[in-house]
Amino acid sequence: KAGVTQTPRYLIKTRGQQVTLSCSPISGHRSVSWYQQTPGQGLQFLFEYFSETQRNKGNFPGRFSGRQFSNSRSEMNVSTLELGDSALYLCASSRDPKLAGGPSYNEQFFGPGTRLTVL
Amino acid sequence: AQTVTQSQPEMSVQEAETVTLSCTYDTSESDYYLFWYKQPPSRQMILVIRQEAYKQQNATENRFSVNFQKAAKSFSLKISDSQLGDAAMYFCAIMASDTNAGKSTFGDGTTLTVKP
Repeated sequence: KAGVTQTPRYLIKTRGQQVTLSCSPISGHRSVSWYQQTPGQGLQFLFEYFSETQRNKGNFPGRFSGRQFSNSRSEMNVSTLELGDSALYLCASSRDPKLAGGPSYNEQFFGPGTRLTVL
Repeated sequence: AQTVTQSQPEMSVQEAETVTLSCTYDTSESDYYLFWYKQPPSRQMILVIRQEAYKQQNATENRFSVNFQKAAKSFSLKISDSQLGDAAMYFCAIMASDTNAGKSTFGDGTTLTVKP
């Protein structure tokens, strides 16, 4: 089974621009979560999508947004980029055992990340 | 709110020896899951081991095992027979089962060095 893929792997943008990152989950996974990883702040949760709906949201400004498509692929968008947005953006997918009536855990499988550099 | 604390920013172990990485957490949820992830220099986050909070038995995966102390809110990772390939940053994480499904809270990580 193919793993989680993220595109692009590397991005360089300038302040004020906007960027869109893409994540393709493992086949059959309906939940996609996004995380920002920086040396100073560590790993921080951005948001989670399930069945095209945002189910959870972290404490990030409205410049950070996302969406999920009917095939579970997800995109996140950052508008009006700031220097502090430079980070590794990780996407994680998981199945949703609630539907199967099984144990309620969400083991997350991570993609390789997109390294965003804002100049 | 959930918090995870890893008090050891760096640890070092001799190849073939055993090392224990510490993790404490706090949550108001009654049903949650705990994870240890490994992030090597490639930055690919890999799940090492998971523990369901409702299970008293400590999880084990080959050379990796945990010491889960629910009352103390402690979740340490023991790596036995350490190998050079174990060198990486290790993150402890917690996820509540329902209310925060899909949202993991991570500790700051412990960088593990394995000496030959």
